[in-house]
Amino acid sequence: AQSVTQLGSHVSVSEGALVLLRCNYSSSVPPYLFWYVQYPNQGLQLLLKYTSAATLVKGINGFEAEFKKSETSFHLTKPSAHMSDAAEYFCAARPGGYQKVTFGTGTKLQVIP
Amino acid sequence: DAGVIQSPRHEVTEMGQEVTLRCKPISGHDYLFWYRQTMMRGLELLIYFNNNVPIDDSGMPEDRFSAKMPNASFSTLKIQPSEPRDSAVYFCASSGDRRVGRGSTNEKLFFGSGTQLSVL
Repeated sequence: AQSVTQLGSHVSVSEGALVLLRCNYSSSVPPYLFWYVQYPNQGLQLLLKYTSAATLVKGINGFEAEFKKSETSFHLTKPSAHMSDAAEYFCAARPGGYQKVTFGTGTKLQVIP
Repeated sequence: DAGVIQSPRHEVTEMGQEVTLRCKPISGHDYLFWYRQTMMRGLELLIYFNNNVPIDDSGMPEDRFSAKMPNASFSTLKIQPSEPRDSAVYFCASSGDRRVGRGSTNEKLFFGSGTQLSVL
């Protein structure tokens, strides 16, 4: 069964510092991979998605993620954190040909002024 | 489009009562999903529909939970009888767009704002 692991339920960074949120998937066949963001009292919104076209994926709000098959990872990064980036981030995976999406447990990002 | 619309936004009920959550997906989308979010378990897929037909309900926790999709623009998730452990945020999401052909498997999910359910 597909599973997604996010290391660190809480991450704190200073404003302007690098953001790194970790995600690993377990699957013999690389699935489609996604990062979603959830702001307080809102539903999830798509940040970016990996669809095998390119290993480095750029998303909205300056975020990007790199797919590394050898490490079964899809870590999310942003060079410089902004206060508005404070939210909860979810990594998700979907096997090709299926609609069932599995989400990680989420990482809450705190940005310190 | 107004996005995925869920109602009510908040629901507080007593144990044993019936609870009905409602969802209106984005027009033209042919997949609809119900998720439950809790601190302990994160986001869990309960059930999803394709063209109004339930495809996978393996995530539905118990027989107390049921979901229907009578037409392409409406779905309900019912809990009867409700229990305190059902307290969570329930999200509806939709994907796919029939207007541009068969949906691809890399399409994103569009989430509603959720229903915060508290069972006392």
